[in-house]
Amino acid sequence: QQKVQQSPESLSVPEGGMASFNCTSSDRNFQYFWWYRQHSGEGPKALMSIFSDGDKKEGRFTAHLNKASLHVSLHIRDSQPSDSALYFCAAALTGNTRKLIFGLGTTLQVQP
Amino acid sequence: DPKIIQKPKYLVAVTGSEKILICEQYLGHNAMYWYRQSAKKPLEFMFSYSYQKLMDNQTASSRFQPQSSKKNHLDLQITALKPDDSATYFCASSQEADTQYFGPGTRLLVL
Repeated sequence: QQKVQQSPESLSVPEGGMASFNCTSSDRNFQYFWWYRQHSGEGPKALMSIFSDGDKKEGRFTAHLNKASLHVSLHIRDSQPSDSALYFCAAALTGNTRKLIFGLGTTLQVQP
Repeated sequence: DPKIIQKPKYLVAVTGSEKILICEQYLGHNAMYWYRQSAKKPLEFMFSYSYQKLMDNQTASSRFQPQSSKKNHLDLQITALKPDDSATYFCASSQEADTQYFGPGTRLLVL
């Protein structure tokens, strides 16, 4: 069983709409989370990190972390066609470790 | 200018051969990593280095050997290549345990 599970597997939203991604960890020791996205043929690019319970907002992106439920989410408002990509949740055990555990990802398609 | 360079971009190898994947980072980071991405599998952590020293090795096979000749280089040598090694290999770097930045990847195909 994967330690980081993402849902949905794929997502389609209209341009200007809200895209929402979910990530659940099966290991309570994970304390640090990142969201990455990957466009086809490129390497993953970090979007946001979130380490504390609650919301973190950066521009059109909002991440939410609930450590009690081991759940982290990402929301993109005003989605653009350029946001179409594969979105990954990644988790790490502590601040000192550098091993990231990735989920399988969610494919986002933004329809013009 | 690209901050993390990976060479080559594409690589075709025959079973049993040996290849070296090159990674250089110009972000001034002290930590470097290798990850592997295969179809239908999550990005998989392979190695981490800090100040040119191995910190973590999650690769079961000794056929995979990282090599750090300079503090901003972390190459990956793969020996006795198998078709199952076909994947995209990503190099990443970070400053301490901060956010990791990934390179564009080397796509390896083993025939």
